[in-house]
Amino acid sequence: KAGVTQTPRYLIKTRGQQVTLSCSPISGHRSVSWYQQTPGQGLQFLFEYFSETQRNKGNFPGRFSGRQFSNSRSEMNVSTLELGDSALYLCASSLGGRTLRHTEAFFGQGTRLTVV
Amino acid sequence: AQRVTQPEKLLSVFKGAPVELKCNYSYSGSPELFWYVQYSRQRLQLLLRHISRESIKGFTADLNKGETSFHLKKPFAQEEDSAMYYCALRPSGSARQLTFGSGTQLTVLP
Repeated sequence: KAGVTQTPRYLIKTRGQQVTLSCSPISGHRSVSWYQQTPGQGLQFLFEYFSETQRNKGNFPGRFSGRQFSNSRSEMNVSTLELGDSALYLCASSLGGRTLRHTEAFFGQGTRLTVV
Repeated sequence: AQRVTQPEKLLSVFKGAPVELKCNYSYSGSPELFWYVQYSRQRLQLLLRHISRESIKGFTADLNKGETSFHLKKPFAQEEDSAMYYCALRPSGSARQLTFGSGTQLTVLP
């Protein structure tokens, strides 16, 4: 079974630009969550999508947005990039239900975004 | 709001020695606690969760609600245990997100 796939793996953007990151969950998983990882702040939750609907949102500005498609693939968009947005962005998928098996999150390898 | 604290950024032990990675949390409800591990150049993966009460790769962790702790322990460390370990909390209720600690880099010396 293929794991969670994130593309691209590396990205360099200029301040003010926008960027779109992609996440393909494990087949059958309906929940996709996004996290930002930085040396200073660690791993922070961005948002979670389930069945094309945003189910939870972290404490990030509106420049960070996302969406989920009918095949459960998800994209995350960051507009008007700032230097501080440089980070590793991780995507995690799960079945999305409430039983023990359904809540285990599987992580992708991440997209390393550098803003210059 | 919930918070997870891992007081040690770095921890080194010798092979065969016991190891304990500390995790404390603050949350007013009944949380679900996890330990995630990231080996060098690999993705973050679940090691164990308190609700399963299982031992994975010789590691165990007990949720102590009185001390709000979820320390990870292994009686005899192995070199292959060297990795970054993250403690994480998921609140009860409808919120699904994980709140992570800052992580502890464990190095097991030969």
